[in-house]
Amino acid sequence: QSALTQPASVSGSPGQSITISCTGTGSDVGGFNYVSWYQQLPGKAPQLMVYDVTKRPSGVSNRFSGSKSGNTASLTISGLQAEDEAEYFCSSYTSSSTWVFGGGTKLSVL
Amino acid sequence: QVHLQESGPGLVKPSQTLSLTCTVSGGSISSGGYYWSWIRQPAGKGLEYIGRVYATGSTNYNPSLKSRVTISIDTSKNQFSLNLSSVTAADTAIYYCARILVGVASFDIWGQGTMVTVSS
Repeated sequence: QSALTQPASVSGSPGQSITISCTGTGSDVGGFNYVSWYQQLPGKAPQLMVYDVTKRPSGVSNRFSGSKSGNTASLTISGLQAEDEAEYFCSSYTSSSTWVFGGGTKLSVL
Repeated sequence: QVHLQESGPGLVKPSQTLSLTCTVSGGSISSGGYYWSWIRQPAGKGLEYIGRVYATGSTNYNPSLKSRVTISIDTSKNQFSLNLSSVTAADTAIYYCARILVGVASFDIWGQGTMVTVSS
C-alpha cells in the first residue's frame, strides 16, 4: 500500500482559509467514507480533528471541515489562527482492512 | 477518560526483536467496540500503520511489515504489545499506540509515543 499524497507545505495569513488535499486510490480514499485528519504539534502525538470524511470529534473547532471527491479528500481550515500552525496528516481505511496515512503537510500561519 | 501509555526499551540492536507494551487505563481493553493499534513515525517523516488487535486476539497487519510483526493482547493486564523482529536502522522511529473505534475507522486516542533507536 502506498502512502496517500499530500502537499508538503501550505501557508496562510490569520483569518484566511486554507485547504489541504489528500489523494489516494479507489482502494482507499475513493472506496470508503473512512478518511480522517490529524493535527500534530511539534513533539506531540497526533490528535484526531476530522473522521468519516466530514465529522468532527467533540471539542474540535468548527473551523475545521472535511470533504471528499473521488479519490481526493480535503481538509479546510477557516479563520486561520496562529495556534493552527502544525503538521496535518490524512488517513484512510483500505480494501486490505488496514490503514494508510499521507506524508503530512506543514501549515505555516504567516 | 481513557489513557494509553507506551513502554519498552529505547535502544535495540540490529537483527534483534523490538518489544513494546501499551498500557490502557480508564477503561477496559476487553469491553469490545475498539481495535488497539500500533503506528510509527521516523524522525521528520510521516506516519505508518503497523497493525491492530481486537479483544478476541484477532489481528491485522500492514502487508509491508507482516512477516516481522506480532501484536498480542493481555486482557488481564489491560495491555497490548508489539513485537517487531529482525530490526534494522530503518525501524528507528517514534512508536505510538492508539485506539480505533470499530465502525468509525479513525484513531481517536493516542499514547504520547516512545522513541526506539536501532543501533549497535
